This record gives sequence, structure tokens and C-alpha cells, in this order.
Amino acid sequence: DAGITQSPRHKVTETGTPVTLRCHQTENHRYMYWYRQDPGHGLRLIHYSYGVKDTDKGEVSDGYSVSRSKTEDFLLTLESATSSQTSVYFCAISESQFHEQYFGPGTRLTVT
Amino acid sequence: AQKVTQAQTEISVVEKEDVTLDCVYETRDTTYYLFWYKQPPSGELVFLIRRNSFDEQNEISGRYSWNFQKSTSSFNFTITASQVVDSAVYFCALSEANNAGNMLTFGGGTRLMVKP
Repeated sequence: DAGITQSPRHKVTETGTPVTLRCHQTENHRYMYWYRQDPGHGLRLIHYSYGVKDTDKGEVSDGYSVSRSKTEDFLLTLESATSSQTSVYFCAISESQFHEQYFGPGTRLTVT
Repeated sequence: AQKVTQAQTEISVVEKEDVTLDCVYETRDTTYYLFWYKQPPSGELVFLIRRNSFDEQNEISGRYSWNFQKSTSSFNFTITASQVVDSAVYFCALSEANNAGNMLTFGGGTRLMVKP
């Protein structure tokens, strides 16, 4: 199994509070991704990174920001959480642009 | 724009039956990659297979087989002699070679229930 961890695994927070989710990998892969999974929508890409300090937006990036200061860590921040951001968040890593992505265990976030 | 359609939202079979999960995709690129992932009830996403658009050979891995047909833009997945442990949601996904970050576009998933 690819060495990917996510923290926290579960979080309940209130509307308007900032939240940061962490993805950590031990595979030294260049690409890292954040997806959200919602019923009826499957998985949708939020942001991705193609190297340290190199990030770009995905399909559903509004309300989210990311940072990658080290190869192994990719942070997803909700600056001011809203109920619509209640979801399961998955991090993924990929060796290159053309390789398969391996997913972390997911973080279940509930915004009340 | 790329799109993946999994028309079967739920399938229920009895153990030992064969089952095929359909995946139809849309892309304008000539170079692209197709994937299947499994999400068991525990929630993790497990990579099953990756296929590039230039390789139309069917692939078999144990009880799993995949049929890739460019002519119909389909990449179907068959489980032979299904088992209860195959119960999961299965996702088909597409990545176009021209997109900068290997972004995956997922289908909506097919929930497979295998009953004993």
C-alpha cells in the first residue's frame, strides 16, 4: 500500500471556523491531489500540486486553498467553513502525470 | 471536456454469478488513460487498473477482466464468479494526457451488492 496518511480522520466544526486538513506521503511522489466525495457527485478535484509550491485549481476550488511547502505534505484549508463543505475529503498521490493515483484513507468533515 | 458515465447505479447479484460494470467515456484527446477503482464499505479507494488509449488489449487479473473498446468509447469491467467480498462501489475514471495535472474525472460509481 502507498504510504499516505490523512489527519484528522474525522472532524466536526462550526460554520465560519477555519479548518486545515493534512495529507502526508512517504513515497516521494511529485503529484498530490485533494478530492471531495459527495453522494450523487462522485469524486471531484479541489486542488492539486505538481511540485513544492506549485499548485493549481481543480473543478470545485471555491472556498478552498492549499499549500505545499515540502514534498511530503499537502495541506487543504477551508478559510471559513460552510455547511456545503460537509463531505469526505480524499488526498491522492501520483508518481507522474501519467501514472495512477493512490488515495489516502479519507477525512470525514462535518460543518454544523 | 472529459466525461465518464456509469449508467448502472446499483447492481445486485447472487454469489458466483458473473457481473459486468459498464463505463462509457467522452474525450477529445487521442491520448488518454482509463482507470477503475474499488471503494469497499470501509471507505478507502483501491486502485484496480490503468489503461492507456493506445492499448486495446483486454486484460485479465484473476476473476477480474476489462474490455476496452475505443470504437464504442467503453471500458467495461467484468467480475467472474462474484464473491461477497466484491461488494463495493466501483468507479471508472478518465485522465487526458493534455491536462496539466493528470486530473481524474470520475464516473458516478456503480454499487455492486453480492448476496450469499
